[in-house]
Amino acid sequence: NAGVTQTPKFRVLKTGQSMTLLCAQDMNHEYMYWYRQDPGMGLRLIHYSVGEGTTAKGEVPDGYNVSRLKKQNFLLGLESAAPSQTSVYFCASSYKGIPLGSGANVLTFGAGSRLTVL
Amino acid sequence: DQQVKQNSPSLSVQEGRISILNCDYTNSMFDYFLWYKKYPAEGPTFLISISSIKDKNEDGRFTVFLNKSAKHLSLHIVPSQPGDSAVYFCAARSSGTYKYIFGTGTRLKVLA
Repeated sequence: NAGVTQTPKFRVLKTGQSMTLLCAQDMNHEYMYWYRQDPGMGLRLIHYSVGEGTTAKGEVPDGYNVSRLKKQNFLLGLESAAPSQTSVYFCASSYKGIPLGSGANVLTFGAGSRLTVL
Repeated sequence: DQQVKQNSPSLSVQEGRISILNCDYTNSMFDYFLWYKKYPAEGPTFLISISSIKDKNEDGRFTVFLNKSAKHLSLHIVPSQPGDSAVYFCAARSSGTYKYIFGTGTRLKVLA
């Protein structure tokens, strides 16, 4: 059981190049999320999806696009990379609905993708 | 506007003593709160959570306290161990939404 898998793990881009980060989960989760982690900023939500074919904006969506064509996959795209998008990106997934009570985990994270834009 | 705040960027504690990590929030609609631990070069892993209908939840060495009137939650680790050294994030979800908002994190160092 792999959980949440992110590819690639590392990538270096030049300003203006495009790329796509892939997130795949094998837990049959309904919801999927993309976060970025930057020093002193914590984890900030970029985009999320509550089901196949649906996406929504998070806290910092500008400069990114997403697609969820299959339930198990959530793609994060950078059409024209900028140095400000240098970050570590984390994908997460969760079950649908409200946790039944305290103690329940909600988000399962991938190991991260480190992106550097020169 | 930071809705979830962790005002202490770092904390050092002696092994065996209590670690207390704090988190404040501004949105009164938050109804579920979580703590995650993160080691370098790894994804965050779930630690403990609490629903807004409770004021305390305990799991082994970890206890989370929720004070809704103060919009404050805290994570207590007793006793602290060197393996607890990591960055800790608190997170919250607003009622009726699917968005989980994270704080900026607190780096805990447990000294042997």
